[in-house]
Amino acid sequence: DVKVTQSSRYLVKRTGEKVFLECVQDMDHENMFWYRQDPGLGLRLIYFSYDVKMKEKGDIPEGYSVSREKKERFSLILESASTNQTSMYLCASAGGHKEKLFFGSGTQLSVL
Amino acid sequence: AQRVTQPEKLLSVFKGAPVELKCNYSYSGSPELFWYVQYSRQRLQLLLRHISRESIKGFTADLNKGETSFHLKKPFAQEEDSAMYYCALREYGNKLVFGAGTILRVKS
Repeated sequence: DVKVTQSSRYLVKRTGEKVFLECVQDMDHENMFWYRQDPGLGLRLIYFSYDVKMKEKGDIPEGYSVSREKKERFSLILESASTNQTSMYLCASAGGHKEKLFFGSGTQLSVL
Repeated sequence: AQRVTQPEKLLSVFKGAPVELKCNYSYSGSPELFWYVQYSRQRLQLLLRHISRESIKGFTADLNKGETSFHLKKPFAQEEDSAMYYCALREYGNKLVFGAGTILRVKS
């Protein structure tokens, strides 16, 4: 079974802090994604990556950046956390073109 | 822009009753649609995709291009069906656009 692991289940940070959310997958998938999940808004794509060192903006990239130095790891970075970035963050990966997404268990981030 | 609309935030039904979770989409090309499900304390996972034309856990969904809909149906709800359900549309490649989600609550 594909394993997508997010390093933290819960995270509490202060406004202005730099925050790193880590995601690792163990199935050699090319494609990795970061979504945020908010009640009433569903899942919104922040960034995705088709390959190492490649990244593309999703629908809501403002205030975020990403890093993919190794195929199995995709990091989401909040350069200066703000309270409106309090959310559940979901990482996902997928194999080849048009394959289904496998999701991590999520990181609930609270920015105070 | 592509959109997926799930008009109901919450759908509450009794066990044994039929279920229909609504999903409407807007897409200029030939759409590919999915239903994802998240049970309590579990990961979001794929339930079914329209191209497979399959029934999973008793659920089916038919793509209606005329009505631009992809409603999820089950004839007899079970308590274990209680979950959050997301309809999703493939924009391109592996990029999916998700709806806002519908919570299904099955009461005994």
